[in-house]
Amino acid sequence: GDSVTQMEGPVTLSEEAFLTINCTYTATGYPSLFWYVQYPGEGLQLLLKATKADDKGSNKGFEATYRKETTSFHLEKGSVQVSDSAVYFCALSNSGGYQKVTFGTGTKLQVIP
Amino acid sequence: EADIYQTPRYLVIGTGKKITLECSQTMGHDKMYWYQQDPGMELHLIHYSYGVNSTEKGDLSSESTVSRIRTEHFPLTLESARPSHTSQYLCASRETGWIVTEAFFGQGTRLTVV
Repeated sequence: GDSVTQMEGPVTLSEEAFLTINCTYTATGYPSLFWYVQYPGEGLQLLLKATKADDKGSNKGFEATYRKETTSFHLEKGSVQVSDSAVYFCALSNSGGYQKVTFGTGTKLQVIP
Repeated sequence: EADIYQTPRYLVIGTGKKITLECSQTMGHDKMYWYQQDPGMELHLIHYSYGVNSTEKGDLSSESTVSRIRTEHFPLTLESARPSHTSQYLCASRETGWIVTEAFFGQGTRLTVV
């Protein structure tokens, strides 16, 4: 079945540091890939997505590139802020009628001033 | 901004009580989901629906039940709450179609059973 593996957290960075959160996946077919973010006490919200190989999703300074050859979708940001402190989830979903979303286990990011 | 709402946000209830967690969306989405989120943040799919009168159990076995009588409403019910049901419950919905779209999430209900 489909699966998503994320690097374990928590990740603690100083403000303005470079962020990478690794994500690899196993899936049949050609899934779409997503990064969701969950701020404390909130539900998940979409951060960015990519629907085919070599697509780059970007939003709020975050980027991730859909790498089919390495089955990866790593999240990066050049300079993190305290407000980026949250839990980040990598996810995939295949096309077709069912489209169940498979989530990774989540990576908690804490940015300190 | 997502138009999907969960009530209540927080609930503390005694063992053995029956509870219903509400989830409503105004986007006309056919697909709706319930996830249970454990303290380690991992999400587990417990129920999903592809439309009115369609419900399926998810990947994680759950003692809860769901119904989908109206497109916009997808309540989750626990007939007899137990401390093991203490968790965060997240509802989500997605647009219908063969193109893969993102899921929209409610803010969650944090349930504590004492």
